[in-house]
Amino acid sequence: DAGITQSPRYKITETGRQVTLMCHQTWSHSYMFWYRQDLGHGLRLIYYSAAADITDKGEVPDGYVVSRSKTENFPLTLESATRSQTSVYFCASSEHGRHNEQFFGPGTRLTVL
Amino acid sequence: AQSVTQLDSHVSVSEGTPVLLRCNYSSSYSPSLFWYVQHPNKGLQLLLKYTSAATLVKGINGFEAEFKKSETSFHLTKPSAHMSDAAEYFCVVRGDDKIIFGKGTRLHILP
Repeated sequence: DAGITQSPRYKITETGRQVTLMCHQTWSHSYMFWYRQDLGHGLRLIYYSAAADITDKGEVPDGYVVSRSKTENFPLTLESATRSQTSVYFCASSEHGRHNEQFFGPGTRLTVL
Repeated sequence: AQSVTQLDSHVSVSEGTPVLLRCNYSSSYSPSLFWYVQHPNKGLQLLLKYTSAATLVKGINGFEAEFKKSETSFHLTKPSAHMSDAAEYFCVVRGDDKIIFGKGTRLHILP
C-alpha cells in the first residue's frame, strides 16, 4: 500500500538497550522527519533528512541516531534507551521541504522500563 | 520569528452544533498555515492548508478555515459536529526553515 508506515507500532524495552524504530515511505519524498510527542510538550522534531545520506539535527537530538541510505527508509536508533525517551514517535515525509505540508505515519509507542 | 497559539486546550460541543477551534499566528511575512487532526492512537492527518490563495479554505470532512490577516487568525470551523470529529487538532504555521506546531486543541463531542 502507498503511504508511510512505521514499525513496530508498540515497543517495550529496558533502560540501556538499543532500539531501532523503522520508517518507510512509498512516495519518494525527499524530506523525512522524526518527531516525538509528549504531554505538555506537543510535537518536537528530533532529526530530519533532506535526501539520502543527508541528515540534520532538530530540537531534541540527544540520545538518538539516524541514517538514510535509501530515499524510502529513515530508521531512528536509540543507542542506550533511557526512561525519558518513553514517548510516541512519529515519522513524517514531505515532498517540498521542511516548511511545507508533511505526511505522518501512524506512530510507534515506546516504553522504556 | 513565526509562532502559533491555539487559544483553547479543550473544546466541548454537542453533536450537531457548530465547531470553532481558534488559532492565532505571528509571522513576519505572508504565512502558510495548516490544520492537522489526530484521532486517538493515530498519526496526524492534514485537514487543510492556506498558501495565500483564497482566504476561505475548505478541507476534508466538512471543515473549513478562514485566513484573517488583520486579526492574524486562522480559526477552524465546521457547521455541524459529528461524534467522529472527536480528536486533537493542531494549527501549524510555516517558519523560516521548519513548520511550527501549536500545542493542540482537544475536541470533545457530547451526545
